[in-house]
Amino acid sequence: QKEVEQNSGPLSVPEGAIASLNCTYSDRVSQSFFWYRQYSGKSPELIMSIYSNGDKEDGRFTAQLNKASQYVSLLIRDSQPSDSATYLCAVNGALTGGGNKLTFGTGTQLKVEL
Amino acid sequence: NAGVTQTPKFQVLKTGQSMTLQCAQDMNHNSMYWYRQDPGMGLRLIYYSASEGTTDKGEVPNGYNVSRLNKREFSLRLESAAPSQTSVYFCASSDGREREQYFGPGTRLTVT
Repeated sequence: QKEVEQNSGPLSVPEGAIASLNCTYSDRVSQSFFWYRQYSGKSPELIMSIYSNGDKEDGRFTAQLNKASQYVSLLIRDSQPSDSATYLCAVNGALTGGGNKLTFGTGTQLKVEL
Repeated sequence: NAGVTQTPKFQVLKTGQSMTLQCAQDMNHNSMYWYRQDPGMGLRLIYYSASEGTTDKGEVPNGYNVSRLNKREFSLRLESAAPSQTSVYFCASSDGREREQYFGPGTRLTVT
């Protein structure tokens, strides 16, 4: 079982619709969860972080966390063509030497169609 | 405020050649990381430095070495490049445990 799992997609949604991206993780002690957006040929860009169960909203983005089910999701409202990218789920785990290890899923490709 | 910068952006090496990838951050972060990204494999941690003066191996350290030159700079060295090291390399930094990481623009390396 992969540590962080995402559906690779592509997930296609029409412009203006809600895109729902899902992620499950295996390490029950993880405390921090992140969503990154990566455009083709570019580096990952942080768009959301969430640390507590429930929802966290930032503009058109809402992150949802359910630690009991080991599940993180990202909702994108009013999807725009510029949202077309690969979305990476990352789960935090402590490193023995200090710092934090992010374990990444392989990403879900989102396509927003006109 | 440039964030995380990396040089070079692109590099082509022949098998057996060596090179150093440079990374610098201006956010005063304690921790720095090197990842590689390969199709279908996601981002994998090569080495990290939790704080100035310390470095540790990540998931895929074989064939690489690192140096934390100071708080700002963290370099990755390939001593004898192999085709299996063809990848995109990202440097990242963070403010410590439980915190988000910020990525540099990446280096596309091809080893022939």
